[in-house]
Amino acid sequence: GQNIDQPTEMTATEGAIVQINCTYQTSGFNGLFWYQQHAGEAPTFLSYNVLDGLEEKGRFSSFLSRSKGYSYLLLKELQMKDSASYLCAVRDSNYQLIWGAGTKLIIKP
Amino acid sequence: TAGITQAPTSQILAAGRSMTLRCTQDMRHNAMYWYRQDLGLGLRLIHYSNTAGTTGKGEVPDGYSVSRANTDDFPLTLASAVPSQTSVYFCASSDTSTGELFFGEGSRLTVL
Repeated sequence: GQNIDQPTEMTATEGAIVQINCTYQTSGFNGLFWYQQHAGEAPTFLSYNVLDGLEEKGRFSSFLSRSKGYSYLLLKELQMKDSASYLCAVRDSNYQLIWGAGTKLIIKP
Repeated sequence: TAGITQAPTSQILAAGRSMTLRCTQDMRHNAMYWYRQDLGLGLRLIHYSNTAGTTGKGEVPDGYSVSRANTDDFPLTLASAVPSQTSVYFCASSDTSTGELFFGEGSRLTVL
């Protein structure tokens, strides 16, 4: 079956750096997405990786290794507003998105 | 920009009653989706539509139906609601060039 694994919850300190990991086993691979979801709100797009390597976008970076079925989202200079759930999703061979359960990130002052 | 509009925002429904969740987009995206989100689980696809006039079943389609009469609208109907359909429902559309999903604000449904 298809599976996306990410930690349920993580805690980090304001101003610090945090890495949220995502491992996947899917039937085919056509890209990996990271979304941010604040409590009670809709998910919003953060990043997209289809080739191996690091994609940097401001304070957020996303890394992909297709051979390892692995990605991470790196958040730098954490701010209180970064407290949210971070969802990893993989597009499979049928171009359908398979979603992880999300990682709830708690930022402490 | 409106993007995707869902209605209602929240609803309490008696078991056995029918309900239609409305979804309208103004981005002219061909593909649209309905997901449900439950605590501890990832977003689960209920139904999707790749283009107006076509629909397909997702991971959890039972008890739900959809229609896609035009590009903008993609309503989700629960014919006879059951308590296990208590959830937050998200409608989304995708940009076919990037695959990025754009989500509505969600509809919180409680079936008693």
